[in-house]
Amino acid sequence: EPEVTQTPSHQVTQMGQEVILRCVPISNHLYFYWYRQILGQKVEFLVSFYNNEISEKSEIFDDQFSVERPDGSNFTLKIRSTKLEDSAMYFCASSEAGGDNEQFFGPGTRLTVL
Amino acid sequence: AQKITQTQPGMFVQEKEAVTLDCTYDTSDPSYGLFWYKQPSSGEMIFLIYQGSYDQQNATEGRYSLNFQKARKSANLVISASQLGDSAMYFCAMREGFDNYGQNFVFGPGTRLSVLP
Repeated sequence: EPEVTQTPSHQVTQMGQEVILRCVPISNHLYFYWYRQILGQKVEFLVSFYNNEISEKSEIFDDQFSVERPDGSNFTLKIRSTKLEDSAMYFCASSEAGGDNEQFFGPGTRLTVL
Repeated sequence: AQKITQTQPGMFVQEKEAVTLDCTYDTSDPSYGLFWYKQPSSGEMIFLIYQGSYDQQNATEGRYSLNFQKARKSANLVISASQLGDSAMYFCAMREGFDNYGQNFVFGPGTRLSVLP
C-alpha cells in the first residue's frame, strides 16, 4: 500500500540553524500539507500546497518557513533560523484531491532545537 | 472560538466493551468533512473514518462507527469491542468547504483512550 514517507525521523539542531524536513507524498496525490504537533498538544496546520504553489497557510507559517517541491517526488519544509519553540513533531500529508478525500499522513519528523 | 471540541482528555474502557469518544464542531459552512485519526504512542497518524456533511447515513468502518448528529454539530466516534491495541490518542478533525483545492484540517485537542485488560 502506498504511503507518505518522511526523513529524517528525528532531527536535532542548534538554535539559529536552518533545517530542511523532507517528505515524499504518495505518487498520484496532488495536494500536500505540513502540520506540526508540539509535544502533548494538538496537531496544527501550517501550509497546504497545490500546483506548485502555496494554496493556504496558517498564522504559524511566517517568513521563517518555506516549502518547495524541488522535483517530481519530494516536498520539503525549510525552517530558517530555528527557535526553541520550533521543537515539535512535523507531519507531512498528502491527498489525492481536495474536498472529502482523506489526508494520508507520514510518520513525522521529530525536530528538537537546542 | 474552538472549531473542534473534544471534552474528554482521557477515557478508560474495559477490553471488549464499546466506548464513545465525543467530538463537537463549529462551522457555518454547509459543506464540511469530519475525520477521526488515531495516534498511537509511536506517533504516526492513522486515518479511521470519515463523515461528509451531506452524507445521509452514519459512517462505519469495521469496529469504528461515527454517530453523526448534524443539528447538534456532533460527530462522536464509537469503537465497539475494544482491544488493547486501541489504546492511543484519538483526534477529531474537520475540513471546511468543498472545492477542488486541498483544504487544511482543523484538529481537536484529542482524547487519550486507555483500554484495560
